[in-house]
Amino acid sequence: GENVGLHLPTLSVQEGDNSIINCAYSNSASDYFIWYKQESGKGPQFIIDIRSNMDKRQGQRVTVLLNKTVKHLSLQIAATQPGDSAVYFCAENMGGGTGNQFYFGTGTSLTVIP
Amino acid sequence: NAGVTQTPKFQVLKTGQSMTLQCAQDMNHNSMYWYRQDPGMGLRLIYYSASEGTTDKGEVPNGYNVSRLNKREFSLRLESAAPSQTSVYFCASSERRLYGYTFGSGTRLTVV
Repeated sequence: GENVGLHLPTLSVQEGDNSIINCAYSNSASDYFIWYKQESGKGPQFIIDIRSNMDKRQGQRVTVLLNKTVKHLSLQIAATQPGDSAVYFCAENMGGGTGNQFYFGTGTSLTVIP
Repeated sequence: NAGVTQTPKFQVLKTGQSMTLQCAQDMNHNSMYWYRQDPGMGLRLIYYSASEGTTDKGEVPNGYNVSRLNKREFSLRLESAAPSQTSVYFCASSERRLYGYTFGSGTRLTVV
């Protein structure tokens, strides 16, 4: 299968600033995307999702943008806090098949500087 | 609510030994998944079970077998462990298509 990739492996931001994490995907048939947060020693945790019929979706302090033309996904975190320090993964669901399989990118490590 | 429970949390095996990683979910989810996570490679799908009684291969199934014991439980077996199987293993479940996963806390496996 085709894999999701990330532009930057690491990102450092000052506390209170906004963070933007990017993700490129290669399969135009993917119809559902999720951002996960993984803290050290823990399993990934769902942050926000977006379906392919949407361009933008907002949650609490987080926004996901989907640009299908260039196959690009981004996660924006507003007013970044120390608790946001983690590895962030985007995952795409390519559809078809019998299950609900997601393919994950390699992750971006976000460090928040107090 | 426990969510997804994995056992054991840590394990060290010698090359050639076998073991079974256990996973159970209490959310009545239909689908369950096994992923492995290696440094710099993200999570890769090993096997999945779309529903009770079915299992299918993912991206990296070689060296593994699975059993969907019932709706709650999905186990991963290494018949003859190899150092290349040193990894962190995550079990996940989902309610249905186009829904996100709930992950377990992982099993850190080292094969020496």
